[in-house]
Amino acid sequence: DTAVSQTPKYLVTQMGNDKSIKCEQNLGHDTMYWYKQDSKKFLKIMFSYNNKELIINETVPNRFSPKSPDKAHLNLHINSLELGDSAVYFCASSPWGQGASEAFFGQGTRLTVV
Amino acid sequence: DQQVKQNSPSLSVQEGRISILNCDYTNSMFDYFLWYKKYPAEGPTFLISISSIKDKNEDGRFTVFLNKSAKHLSLHIVPSQPGDSAVYFCAARVNFGNEKLTFGTGTRLTIIP
Repeated sequence: DTAVSQTPKYLVTQMGNDKSIKCEQNLGHDTMYWYKQDSKKFLKIMFSYNNKELIINETVPNRFSPKSPDKAHLNLHINSLELGDSAVYFCASSPWGQGASEAFFGQGTRLTVV
Repeated sequence: DQQVKQNSPSLSVQEGRISILNCDYTNSMFDYFLWYKKYPAEGPTFLISISSIKDKNEDGRFTVFLNKSAKHLSLHIVPSQPGDSAVYFCAARVNFGNEKLTFGTGTRLTIIP
């Protein structure tokens, strides 16, 4: 069973379109994240949700809107896609408030905006 | 401002020898450090971690060393195996309850058979 799964794995779309990436975790974790890996391979956090509540928003353009219908899901919706949005987006989850713990990552969604 | 740095983008090591991957950080508030391994077209997978109250943590072939005064940590893999070929990311976290990870840019390790 995949612990953190994202769909789709690949996404090619035109500038100006709106697209969504879905993420689900079956680990029972309270906290979920979206990370972006850009062309320089730099992995940077975008959002973090704890029990469906937004706790981290790292100055991401408001074209990006995360939605957490329940604590097992964190979807990422992107409006008016731009060329610079091309990247690999990783969803992750971790337990909250348990001190030293690691985050579990999905396999990534490679978004290409043309 | 990159708070976690991995200055070696790549490293090649003979199979059976020791691989040493290095990581430097600038934020003295970081109190927990992790290493992740990443294969192509997959997400990062957790490898080993260390709390700032320790200077060493060992798990099988993997050992992480932390030098707080130098703001430096390293990952030792011994003996290195072909399956260790991957990109290794160093990551750090500020404090308990704030689970955000700050990542380095990664080091591509290639194990030569």
